[in-house]
Amino acid sequence: QKEVEQNSGPLSVPEGAIASLNCTYSDRGSQSFFWYRQYSGKSPELIMSIYSNGDKEDGRFTAQLNKASQYVSLLIRDSQPSDSATYLCAVSTSGTYKYIFGTGTRLKVLA
Amino acid sequence: ETGVTQSPTHLIKTRGQQVTLRCSSQSGHNTVSWYQQALGQGPQFIFQYYREEENGRGNFPPRFSGLQFPNYSSELNVNALELDDSALYLCASSLGLQGNYGYTFGSGTRLTVV
Repeated sequence: QKEVEQNSGPLSVPEGAIASLNCTYSDRGSQSFFWYRQYSGKSPELIMSIYSNGDKEDGRFTAQLNKASQYVSLLIRDSQPSDSATYLCAVSTSGTYKYIFGTGTRLKVLA
Repeated sequence: ETGVTQSPTHLIKTRGQQVTLRCSSQSGHNTVSWYQQALGQGPQFIFQYYREEENGRGNFPPRFSGLQFPNYSSELNVNALELDDSALYLCASSLGLQGNYGYTFGSGTRLTVV
């Protein structure tokens, strides 16, 4: 079992719809969770972080964390073609510096 | 405030050669972490430097080595290059050892080994 798992996609959604991206992790000691967006040929860009169970909203983005079920998700409302990218989930254990990344989910927003 | 800068942006090397990649940390940051991202994969942790000392290392062989300088900039050196070393190499800086707040990566160096 991989430490951080994501569906590779592509996930295709129409413009204006909600895109839902999911990530599961295996280490129950994980404490910090991050979503990165990566455009083709570019470096990953941090878009959300979440540390406690529940929802965290930032603009069109909502991160959801459920530690009991060991999953974290990212919702993108009113999806735009410019949101088309690969979304990487990263997890770190408390007190450590090492991030474990999933392989990413490719999102396509269709105009 | 300047961000993390990496050089060069692209590099082509021959198998067996050695390469040095450079990273300038964000102003005020004293910790640098290096990641390798192969095509279609997520970034993988190589190592971290804090106050000029290696603070932790991922599952990479000893031919991957690094340095951090007094100004907190850093180098990643790879000896005896192999074809599988072809990847995007990412550098991130932070203040202190813990990465609880999310790393900001530089633009990366794309290394191609032929």
